[in-house]
Amino acid sequence: GAVVSQHPSWVICKSGTSVKIECRSLDFQATTMFWYRQFPKQSLMLMATSNEGSKATYEQGVEKDKFLINHASLTLSTLTVTSAHPEDSSFYICSARNPQGNTEAFFGQGTRLTVV
Amino acid sequence: SQQGEEDPQALSIQEGENATMNCSYKTSINNLQWYRQNSGRGLVHLILIRSNEREKHSGRLRVTLDTSKKSSSLLITASRAADTASYFCATANQAGTALIFGKGTTLSVSS
Repeated sequence: GAVVSQHPSWVICKSGTSVKIECRSLDFQATTMFWYRQFPKQSLMLMATSNEGSKATYEQGVEKDKFLINHASLTLSTLTVTSAHPEDSSFYICSARNPQGNTEAFFGQGTRLTVV
Repeated sequence: SQQGEEDPQALSIQEGENATMNCSYKTSINNLQWYRQNSGRGLVHLILIRSNEREKHSGRLRVTLDTSKKSSSLLITASRAADTASYFCATANQAGTALIFGKGTTLSVSS
């Protein structure tokens, strides 16, 4: 079946540094990808919709300058957490839908970010 | 934003028992989906039920949908320890693009 690959699966960084997370659709071209954030024992919160070749659409309350999204190709979207702080520590998950298929979404493995 | 509530938030059962999880949503929908998440991992699609369907089966899974009550239930029959995970219902956002998830039910099946 379709696969979405996310990298890295975990990362530890120092406060003030930036971290880039990659999300790739391996089996299909994804004009749209989605980034979610998940705190421990909580649900997924949609952060933004990544659009290939255009600006991302951010959900209310999500700082676009802090969470930079780039969707430069039909198979790759990146999320960069800039000037990370400990409160940015979380589990970040990307997803994509095969535009040729049904409405099922495919998810990356997630990235556990710890800011120290 | 989240679509709605799921209950129970946590459920502990023994192997072989059935597990029922409920989900409520707020807006009108074209379909509702259920996903499973093992601890610290991504989500896996389980089943999709369309708004004109009332019940759907897939293996040991049975999903019902009541659009008049804006609710859905997921039944896992003859549960196994490997079913231990969090289960989320999801519906499309207003734009019809992204999925919005419920709060989830954490299921623990002990052997």
